[in-house]
Amino acid sequence: KAGVTQTPRYLIKTRGQQVTLSCSPISGHRSVSWYQQTPGQGLQFLFEYFSETQRNKGNFPGRFSGRQFSNSRSEMNVSTLELGDSALYLCASSRTGSDSGNTIYFGEGSWLTVV
Amino acid sequence: AQTVTQSQPEMSVQEAETVTLSCTYDTSESDYYLFWYKQPPSRQMILVIRQEAYKQQNATENRFSVNFQKAAKSFSLKISDSQLGDAAMYFCAYRSGNGGATNKLIFGTGTLLAVQP
Repeated sequence: KAGVTQTPRYLIKTRGQQVTLSCSPISGHRSVSWYQQTPGQGLQFLFEYFSETQRNKGNFPGRFSGRQFSNSRSEMNVSTLELGDSALYLCASSRTGSDSGNTIYFGEGSWLTVV
Repeated sequence: AQTVTQSQPEMSVQEAETVTLSCTYDTSESDYYLFWYKQPPSRQMILVIRQEAYKQQNATENRFSVNFQKAAKSFSLKISDSQLGDAAMYFCAYRSGNGGATNKLIFGTGTLLAVQP
């Protein structure tokens, strides 16, 4: 069974541009979460989507947004890129969040470099 | 707000030996889950072990086991018979079980484990 797939894996953008990252969850998974990982701030939660609805949001500026489609695929967008947005963006998927047996699986991440 | 603290930025262990990674957390919730994730150089997060707060028995997965001390809010990971492939960054993480469903994980800062041959 295919894992969590993130595209693109690597990208370089210029300050001020915008970027869209994509995440395809494991088949049957309806929950998708996004995390930003940087050397200085560590792993920080961005947002979580379940059945096309955002049900949790981290403490990030409005430049960071996301959405989820009916097939559970998710995208996140960062507008007006800043140098500090350079990071590894990780996507995670799971079936739901309501039971103890729920396992959260991560993708390999998208490396974003802002120059 | 919940917090997770890993006080050991780096650890080193000899191959075949045992090592324990520390994690403490702070929460006022009664229902929650704790995890250890491994992040190798490939950067993909891999679940190592999971503990439900309502379970008194410590979780075990092959060479990996935890020491869950709920009153002390401590959740350490023991790796037995360490192997070269265990070298990675290890993250302790917390997920709330209260207030409805969520998959939001709160991570510690990580412990970089080196395994010496």
